[in-house]
Amino acid sequence: NAGVTQTPKFRILKIGQSMTLQCTQDMNHNYMYWYRQDPGMGLKLIYYSVGAGITDKGEVPNGYNVSRSTTEDFPLRLELAAPSQTSVYFCASSYSLASGRSTDTQYFGPGTRLTVL
Amino acid sequence: EDKVVQSPLSLVVHEGDTVTLNCSYEVTNFRSLLWYKQEKKAPTFLFMLTSSGIEKKSGRLSSILDKKELFSILNITATQTGDSAVYLCAVEAKSAGGTSYGKLTFGQGTILTVHP
Repeated sequence: NAGVTQTPKFRILKIGQSMTLQCTQDMNHNYMYWYRQDPGMGLKLIYYSVGAGITDKGEVPNGYNVSRSTTEDFPLRLELAAPSQTSVYFCASSYSLASGRSTDTQYFGPGTRLTVL
Repeated sequence: EDKVVQSPLSLVVHEGDTVTLNCSYEVTNFRSLLWYKQEKKAPTFLFMLTSSGIEKKSGRLSSILDKKELFSILNITATQTGDSAVYLCAVEAKSAGGTSYGKLTFGQGTILTVHP
């Protein structure tokens, strides 16, 4: 079991470039999340998904897009990179037994450190 | 808007000391409060608290929730250098319909440094 994997580990982008951060989990979790963590701060939720084909905005969705075509994958897309998107991005997943209730543990990936210059 | 505030922001102690980390919150329709440990990479789960006054314990770590005063504490006794990390507090709220989907609001974290 690899858990939650993220690629790439590091990336430097120029302003206006686009990229996709990959996230895959092999635990058959139905819920998946994207967070960003700015230096010295806690995590902020960008987008989340409760199952394949279902996504919704979190606290800071502007400048990002997501899709969930399979249970395993939840990529995060940056279309026009801006310096304000310099951050560490974490993907997480959890399992819910019933609709609308999450379990107590979100499993986090190792993170992607993104710098936009 | 849901809000989580942790204190202190940083703490430096020596091995063997006992520390108390604080987390206060303002959230509509509270469901749970969670503590995570972050050591330069992904956060790892420590505790989830849903009921007031019931202490959760794991080794030298323990935590308790006060839903009336809207805060939680995380205690670490006999600290070790391996306890050095950022400790994150997060709350999960329910929507008006009772669903939550695990969406968490995090505090800014407490940086704990334990010197030998």
